[in-house]
Amino acid sequence: QSALSQPPSASGSPGQSVTISCTGTSRDVGGYNYVSWYQQHPGKAPKLMIYEVSKRPSGVPDRFSGSKSGNTASLTVSGLQPEDEADYYCCSFAPNMGVFGTGTSVTVL
Amino acid sequence: QLRMQESGPGLVKPSETLSLTCTVSGDSISSSDYWGWIRQPPGKGLEWIGSISYSGTTYYSPSLRGRLTISVDTSKNHFSLRLSAVTAADTAVYYCARDRGFLKHDFWGQGILVTVSS
Repeated sequence: QSALSQPPSASGSPGQSVTISCTGTSRDVGGYNYVSWYQQHPGKAPKLMIYEVSKRPSGVPDRFSGSKSGNTASLTVSGLQPEDEADYYCCSFAPNMGVFGTGTSVTVL
Repeated sequence: QLRMQESGPGLVKPSETLSLTCTVSGDSISSSDYWGWIRQPPGKGLEWIGSISYSGTTYYSPSLRGRLTISVDTSKNHFSLRLSAVTAADTAVYYCARDRGFLKHDFWGQGILVTVSS
């Protein structure tokens, strides 16, 4: 099972939006509505931002949203803020296992 | 407040077995669906290792199956990872996390760096 494909980097100015893609196959992303997204600041543990494609845990700002089309899931961060600068990873359920994406470094210009 | 804490040796010799424990406090390990292990080599991305239910059902990464054992001890409220025949490629920060089902990892430990070196 290969890692899901994400762009290495993305950037935007404060207040702008940035969208990160996560491409898999019909055996993972495309086959199930179980994609989650994690934010990781340097030296810290990842934090759950989105689960089941588009659901937000309590406490996560509604600036973060998720969607999916076919074999590609997406995370959109609207109204970028300086604290959104971090690495972001997608993760998908696959039969009897999980698979993470390659990760995207988001820079707030 | 749920807390998860990884513990174990920070240095393991090549070909030996890496053993880590994740102690859960603030919640019963029997109350959640699954408990998982994820690792991150220095400067690289996250890799799903495997997970275990409180009843002992396990799911392993295909790339590690054969070297990996995950177990749970509900009496001690902890779960453990054993990875045999380690090489330098197993050097990573190892995280434990609560999995509410289908890879919804909502609580994470702080992580522990394990270096494989002679």
